[in-house]
Amino acid sequence: EDQVTQSPEALRLQEGESSSLNCSYTVSGLRGLFWYRQDPGKGPEFLFTLYSAGEEKEKERLKATLTKKESFLHITAPKPEDSATYLCAVQADGFNKFYFGSGTKLNVKP
Amino acid sequence: DAGVTQSPTHLIKTRGQQVTLRCSPKSGHDTVSWYQQALGQGPQFIFQYYEEEERQRGNFPDRFSGHQFPNYSSELNVNALLLGDSALYLCASSLGLGQGSGYTFGSGTRLTVV
Repeated sequence: EDQVTQSPEALRLQEGESSSLNCSYTVSGLRGLFWYRQDPGKGPEFLFTLYSAGEEKEKERLKATLTKKESFLHITAPKPEDSATYLCAVQADGFNKFYFGSGTKLNVKP
Repeated sequence: DAGVTQSPTHLIKTRGQQVTLRCSPKSGHDTVSWYQQALGQGPQFIFQYYEEEERQRGNFPDRFSGHQFPNYSSELNVNALLLGDSALYLCASSLGLGQGSGYTFGSGTRLTVV
C-alpha cells in the first residue's frame, strides 16, 4: 500500500539553528514528490516538486532533496516566519491524487 | 488573478444533516480535487472532477458526493453527517489531469459536526 511518513512530528528550533525534515515513502511508480507549507487555518502552499532521485531544489532558506526512498527538506538559518507545518505528498504513476504525510510542525523561536 | 475560492469558510452542522461546500477554481484551471484534513493530519483525497465527471475517488463512503459545473466550479456534498466528518475540507484546482506542481489549494472550509 502506498504510504508517506514524515518525521519528526514537531520540531522546535532557535532562530538560526539549521535542521532537516524527513519524508519517507513507499509508492508504486513515483510520479512526483511535493513539499507544501501550511499555515494555521490556511490551505497548503506549494514549495517544491521533485521527480527523480538525486534531484535538488532550493528556495531562499529551504532546500529539498530526493532519494529513491525518502526526501529531506533542509532549513538553513531559519527565521520565526518559517514557523508552519510542512507537508510532503507523493503522486503515484497513473494517478492524479496525492498521498500526504501527516506533516512536521516547525516552530522557530527568536 | 484570483486563486481558489471556497465557501463558506466555517460551518456548524448537526449530526445527521446534509452539507454542501463550494469551490471556484483558479482562473485558467479546469480540474478540481477535494481533500479532507482532520486536525493534526495530512489531507486525504476524496475525489477529483474533470470535464464534469468524477475521475478518481479515494476511500470515502457514498455519503460523499460531488459535482462539477460547466464553468469548472465544484460542489462537495456530504449526507447523514457524522461527528467524524468534522474537518477542514480543501479544494485544489489544476489544469488538466496533470502533475501536482500545478495544484493550487484554497483556504478550506472548516466543518464542525455537533
